[in-house]
Formats: sequence, structure tokens, C-alpha cells
Amino acid sequence: NAGVMQNPRHLVRRRGQEARLRCSPMKGHSHVYWYRQLPEEGLKFMVYLQKENIIDESGMPKERFSAEFPKEGPSILRIQQVVRGDSAAYFCASSPPGQGSDTQYFGPGTRLTVL
Amino acid sequence: AQSVTQLGSHVSVSEGALVLLRCNYSSSVPPYLFWYVQYPNQGLQLLLKYTTGATLVKGINGFEAEFKKSETSFHLTKPSAHMSDAAEYFCAVSARRGSQGNLIFGKGTKLSVKP
Repeated sequence: NAGVMQNPRHLVRRRGQEARLRCSPMKGHSHVYWYRQLPEEGLKFMVYLQKENIIDESGMPKERFSAEFPKEGPSILRIQQVVRGDSAAYFCASSPPGQGSDTQYFGPGTRLTVL
Repeated sequence: AQSVTQLGSHVSVSEGALVLLRCNYSSSVPPYLFWYVQYPNQGLQLLLKYTTGATLVKGINGFEAEFKKSETSFHLTKPSAHMSDAAEYFCAVSARRGSQGNLIFGKGTKLSVKP
């Protein structure tokens, strides 16, 4: 059973461009979480999604950031008009339905560099 | 609101020595608590977790942690450090107990192991 997959692993963008980060949860998992890790910091929660629904986006910046988890395909974290402060590692975690938050499995992350 | 404090951003031990990484939490509800390990340029791997029951929790790679409610602590220990234990360790608490929800992470402790 493959783990959580994220791509690309490394992404370089110039200021003002768009960044799209993909997350494929583990098979059978219908819950996806996105976290951001700034240098020298722990992970900060951004958004929690279930298939076709955003459950909690309290950690998402109000502008330029959006997330989706369609019925088919991976979850996408989209950052429009990137700025240097968006440079960070973005981690996705997934969990199966019917269980609590003690079952989050993390992907390897996407490291975004904004030039 | 939940929060996590990890005391010491860097800890250095000699190979074979005791490892002790400190974590204190704040939670308005009985917490679920976790320790994750992150190797360079990789995602997070769950070491161990406390949900209910026995307060001394054993995890992978010889690590264990004890939940002490009176001290609001969940310190991570290992009797004898190996070189392969060098990594960054994150303590986390669930945002909402017993239901799907995000994790709140400490800032991490980097463990160095000297030969």
C-alpha cells in the first residue's frame, strides 16, 4: 500500500507566478490535511478537506491560497502570485474515515522556493 | 486553545547516552499527544502516540514517552542513543479530541548524536 504521495518534491517559482502542489492520499483515505513548515519552525495547520468539501480552513491565509479535494484525483493546494514569504515546505497528511486525528499519515512534502 | 512547547531547540548527546526531549502542552480537553520524527528533507514519521489508557507509551526505534497530566508533559526518552537517531523531533497535540481535526505542533527539537 503506497503511502501519501506529494508532487512535485521541489518547486521553484518566481515572484508573481502560481504554484500548484499535489497530494494523493493513501488508498482508502478520504481526509486530507495541509500543513506549512517555515524554516526553523514546526508545522502549522492550513486546511482540512474531505472529498469535495473544505471542513476547516482556519489556517489558510485569506488571500492567494486555495485548496480543493475533488471527487476524483489528488488534493491541490494552489498559491497564486507567490511571494518570497511563501517559500516553505508544504506537507500533506491523510487519514481514513471514521477515525480520530490519531491516524494522520504524512507525505514527504513539497519544498517551494520563490525567487 | 491547544498549544505545545518543546524545551530546547537543539539537544546533543553521546552515542549510548540517554535521550530526553521535553514537551509540555496546553489543552482545554483531555489531549491526544504525539511524537513525530523528521529526517532531513523527508516527511514526518509517527514515533508514538497517547490517546487513552496506559500513560507510558512505547513507540518505534526504542522510544517511549510518558503522559503526566499533573505536569502537562509528554517527554520523549530513549535509554541509549544511536547515531541513526539524529533527526528533528516534533511533539504535537490534537486540536479536538476524539474527532477528525488538525494537529498542533511544537517548534521541534534537533537531536545530534556524537560518536
